[in-house]
Amino acid sequence: QVQLVESGGGVVQPGWSLRLSCAASGFTFSNYAMHWVRQAPGKGLEWVAVISYDGSNKNYADSVRGRFTISRDTSKNTLYLQMNSLRAEDTAVYFCARSGYDSNDYPAYYFDYWGQGTLVTVSS
Amino acid sequence: AIRMTQSPSSFSASTGDRVTLTCRASQGISSSLAWYQQKPGKAPKLLIYSASTLQSGVPSRFSGSGSGTDFTLTISCLQSEDFATYYCQQYYTYPYSFGQGTKLESK
Repeated sequence: QVQLVESGGGVVQPGWSLRLSCAASGFTFSNYAMHWVRQAPGKGLEWVAVISYDGSNKNYADSVRGRFTISRDTSKNTLYLQMNSLRAEDTAVYFCARSGYDSNDYPAYYFDYWGQGTLVTVSS
Repeated sequence: AIRMTQSPSSFSASTGDRVTLTCRASQGISSSLAWYQQKPGKAPKLLIYSASTLQSGVPSRFSGSGSGTDFTLTISCLQSEDFATYYCQQYYTYPYSFGQGTKLESK
């Protein structure tokens, strides 16, 4: 069965860096685009970043562009999010999520499987 | 950026009720819309994609409709396990965006 397991969250001070990981299993990782989505405490969902199935294309929310970098290691079936220059407003649970496909087998950027999330707290 | 607006923000209903939740996009998104259910402390769960396609394993009491800018999620006969927060999401274009959520509560 599809499993996504995030790790790497924690408490950091503003300006610090953190790298999140998402270990994928139960599917062919190299066939799927992958995303990070976050949820601030008591708030709604916010899409953060996407990476294509082969890592050649990446895109980011404006709120994180230039500070966060998404990457993947197919040999390890792992997705990453490098977060630099962290701010208080980055405090959230970060979920990794697998991208879906449409009826014509083209990538469609809804999220069909999610990890359990990892909490990042940015506070002085 | 496309803004997604859900209504109502919260709603009280009873088991057995038929419930319809609404999502509106600030511009046309064709049928590139998904619905998710989220329970407290848990990850969201995909219910519907392509506006009306039921995700495998999701009960048939859930259905979706709409295209362009106006979409609905209907639960035909509310069960106790359906009390949760529901989000719509457009994937027509970057940045992918969610509605603010509708919290479905027990009356």
